[in-house]
Order: sequence, then structure tokens, then C-alpha cells
Amino acid sequence: GESVGLHLPTLSVQEGDNSIINCAYSNSASDYFIWYKQESGKGPQFIIDIRSNMDKRQGQRVTVLLNKTVKHLSLQIAATQPGDSAVYFCAERAGNEKLTFGTGTRLTIIP
Amino acid sequence: GAVVSQHPSRVICKSGTSVKIECRSLDFQATTMFWYRQFPKKSLMLMATSNEGSKATYEQGVEKDKFLINHASLTLSTLTVTSAHPEDSSFYICSAREMRGNNSPLHFGNGTRLTVT
Repeated sequence: GESVGLHLPTLSVQEGDNSIINCAYSNSASDYFIWYKQESGKGPQFIIDIRSNMDKRQGQRVTVLLNKTVKHLSLQIAATQPGDSAVYFCAERAGNEKLTFGTGTRLTIIP
Repeated sequence: GAVVSQHPSRVICKSGTSVKIECRSLDFQATTMFWYRQFPKKSLMLMATSNEGSKATYEQGVEKDKFLINHASLTLSTLTVTSAHPEDSSFYICSAREMRGNNSPLHFGNGTRLTVT
């Protein structure tokens, strides 16, 4: 079946360094992708999204890259801060179908 | 930005009782809201899609008579866990999408931690 998954379940990064979180998806019909950040005991918080007609989108300290050829999505966080420690989920959607979430990656920023 | 408010944030109830969780979109209208369940260290599992003015659409395996959903207005959806049991203990999260088209992000509430004793 179709699925969205993450390569790394946990990631530790030194404060100030850049981090990259990866996500693989298998639904070739997916045309909209989102990254969410979830802190402990809270709901997911929207970080950045990208449509399938783009391969890169930048926000404040974050960049999302989309490689449709290999069905790969990544989230780059620049100059990481302690507040970036959280679980990060990728999510994908095909047309008007429901949003499907990946399994999540826990990012820990080491002071 | 779009804000989704969920209430209560935590609730403890006894087995056999019912619990109602509210989800409100504070600064936008949402014809569609979504209810998720999340187990510890797991991803979000979609339970049902709440449609304003019509019946909710439940995912496979989710009991519609146990998890009652009402979407009475464009800004409010409620989830009632009926005859709760300890196995219903979980983190329930609602989300809503702004009405500006399919390619708009879901905004999530801060979740409700339900503990059934």
C-alpha cells in the first residue's frame, strides 16, 4: 500500500549546526507535502509546505526539498537552537484525499 | 495565523462515562475538521473527518457509535467518547483546514490527553 516513512527515527545535532530530516513517500500521486513540528504534549505545528510543481521552498531558517524522481522529501533547519528539539513529521496528500503522516523523527539539539 | 483551540487539554474520567472534546477554529471558518488519535511515540492516526452540516466520515476500524462527532457550525466540531474504557486513554488531536482550497495546511489544536480510570 501507499505509505510515508522516515529514514531516521532519532537525530541529535549540536546547537548551531544545521540539521536535515528525511522522508520517503511512495504515493506517486501525492502533490502536496507538509512538515510539522510537535513538541511534547502539544499538537503538531505547521512549519512549511511545498507543492509538487516545486523542488525547493525556503522559510525562516528552514528549507524543504522535494525530489519527485526518488519520492524523497527533506527538511533542513539552519543554525539549530534548543527550541528546535521536537518530533518532526512529514505529511503528504494526493489531491483532495486525506493527509497521511509519516512515523516521525525526534530531533534533539545538544547545547 | 490560523488558530485552532481544543478543550479540555486534559481530562480524567471513570470507566463507563462519556467525555466531550471541543475543537474550535478561532479566526477562520472550516467546513471540514479532522480528528486524530496519537499513541505514545507514534504518529497521528486519522479517526474521522468531520463535515459541517452532515455526517462524519469514519476511517476503517473506528467505531462511529463510540466516537460521536458533531460539526454544528463552521467553527466548532465536537468529539464525544462514549462509555469510555481504559483502552480509550490516548491523546486526541483535532485539526481544521482553511476554506481557501485543497493545498492549504491543516492547523492543529493542542490536543486532549484523555485518561480513563
